[in-house]
Parts: sequence; structure tokens; C-alpha cells
Amino acid sequence: DAGVTQSPTHLIKTRGQQVTLRCSPKSGHDTVSWYQQALGQGPQFIFQYYEEEERQRGNFPDRFSGHQFPNYSSELNVNALLLGDSALYLCASSLVGTGGNSPLHFGNGTRLTVT
Amino acid sequence: GNSVTQMEGPVTLSEEAFLTINCTYTATGYPSLFWYVQYPGEGLQLLLKATKADDKGSNKGFEATYRKETTSFHLEKGSVQVSDSAVYFCALGSSASKIIFGSGTRLSIRP
Repeated sequence: DAGVTQSPTHLIKTRGQQVTLRCSPKSGHDTVSWYQQALGQGPQFIFQYYEEEERQRGNFPDRFSGHQFPNYSSELNVNALLLGDSALYLCASSLVGTGGNSPLHFGNGTRLTVT
Repeated sequence: GNSVTQMEGPVTLSEEAFLTINCTYTATGYPSLFWYVQYPGEGLQLLLKATKADDKGSNKGFEATYRKETTSFHLEKGSVQVSDSAVYFCALGSSASKIIFGSGTRLSIRP
């Protein structure tokens, strides 16, 4: 049973560039959430996708956008990268209908470094 | 808004010591509460959960009880092992279908 997989594992970008991170949810899950985890901090909710639509959004600027595909996989895009975007980006999947009560299954994350 | 406050670390204990990591929350409604663990180089894993007041979640010797009267969900373990060294996150499942995490507590266990 494949868990949540993310790619790439590490990425180095320059300020002003754009980046795309990818996520495949755990088998049987249909909802994907993205989190940003700065060093030494807890994960911060970016947004959640279900049925190919953004359902909830945290306090992140429009530079952060996403997409969900018919096979439930998802992408996170960040435009005009800033040094402060350097973080571990975590993808988590869950099953719809359980709302905030659904435990999340996390991938190992993509470490983004902006120089 | 909803929030989670947890004990700041790092916490360093000797093997077989008793562990408590404090967590309190602020929320409207009746959220679910979780403890997640992050081992070095890995993603977060669900450790235990409780979905209503007075529920006790337990797993791998860890326990936490959902206390609505004190808005707390403290994590405990009677005898820690070196393999328990990790970062522990208290989390709250809000009605807005997103999980809110605390800032994490780093635990180190000495042999």
C-alpha cells in the first residue's frame, strides 16, 4: 500500500524563480493538503484540494497556487520566490467526509532552499 | 481563532523516565485532537488521536486524554526509550477541514 509520495526531495532555486512541487496521495485517499514547515516550527496550512478544487486556504499569498488532477495527485506552485519561502513543504492526504477529524497521512516532504 | 500551544523544548530525559509534554488548545465547537511525531529525516506520523471530551488516545505506550474543562491534551509515557527521540506536535482538527499544529517539542532520550 503506497503511502504519500512527494517529488523532488530537495530543490534549490534563486529568488524570483518559480517552483512546482508534486504529490501523490495515499491509495484510497481523495483529498490533498499542503503545509509549509519552517525550520524549528510546526507545519502551517497552505491549502487543501478536493475534487480538483481548492476548498480551504490558509494565510498565504496568491504566489502560492495549486492544482489537483483527476487521479487525485496534486501540485503546489510558488511564483516569485522569496528567501523566506525556504522551508520543508509537506503534502498530506486524507479521505473526504471526515472534515477536520480525519487524520492526515504525510509524505516525507520537499526541502526547498531559495538563494 | 483556533490555536494550539504546546510545551517548548527541547526536552532531554534519561531512558525509562516518565514523559509529559503539555498541550493546550483554543477552539470553537468540538474539534478532534491529535499528536503527531516526526522522526529525523521523515514526514509526520499520526501517534494518537481523540475525537471527543474524555476520550483517551493511546499508541506505542503513549497516552493523551481530551480534557474539555481544561482545554488540554497532554502527552504522557511511563517509560521512554532512546527510539522515542523525535519532535512531537500537538494538533487540532478544526471544523474548517484543516489541521492546526503547535510549534513542536523536540524530545531527546539519553541511554
